[in-house]
Amino acid sequence: AQSVAQPEDQVNVAEGNPLTVKCTYSVSGNPYLFWYVQYPNRGLQFLLKYITGDNLVKGSYGFEAEFNKSQTSFHLKKPSALVSDSALYFCAVRDSGGATNKLIFGTGTLLAVQP
Amino acid sequence: GAVVSQHPSRVICKSGTSVKIECRSLDFQATTMFWYRQFPKQSLMLMATSNEGSKATYEQGVEKDKFLINHASLTLSTLTVTSAHPEDSSFYICSARDLANHNTGELFFGEGSRLTVL
Repeated sequence: AQSVAQPEDQVNVAEGNPLTVKCTYSVSGNPYLFWYVQYPNRGLQFLLKYITGDNLVKGSYGFEAEFNKSQTSFHLKKPSALVSDSALYFCAVRDSGGATNKLIFGTGTLLAVQP
Repeated sequence: GAVVSQHPSRVICKSGTSVKIECRSLDFQATTMFWYRQFPKQSLMLMATSNEGSKATYEQGVEKDKFLINHASLTLSTLTVTSAHPEDSSFYICSARDLANHNTGELFFGEGSRLTVL
């Protein structure tokens, strides 16, 4: 069965500093990995995905993530945080070889960027 | 990106009534849509997979008679919460994947529907 872990409930970072939001996954086959962001009382917005190819994936709003197969991780990063980046971030995984195309989400990490 | 429209965004109803939530893909077709439920400060729980032209696939523990799902066309899925009770109060979010990218494409999400049952 596929699963996703986001070990941090909350990440605090000062504006202008680099940020990292951690994600590890477990699938039986090759993973399709995704990051989404959610603002209060809103749906989820797609940030980026890893399907195949280059391990470093660049996405929306200056975010990027690095796929690390040996560590089964897909951490979200940004070189310089903005106050407007404060939101709830979800990592998600799909098993490329799975019988279904369900997307399984982590528990979410609240990012708080202080001015 | 592709747009998924969800309606209504907020609904308040009395206990025992039924509420229908619509999910539409506006500029793409989707044979599969997904319905999630989100509790405050918690992750998204997949409730069911809505399949166009066939029965929905429900996750374990989700009552199919309680949460009726209909996917009558390639652009519309509906979730009906029947005989709603206060414990059904939650944030319901639908999502869809573009049929053209059904294998590797990302999900596009609606804005969610906040249901409050009095």
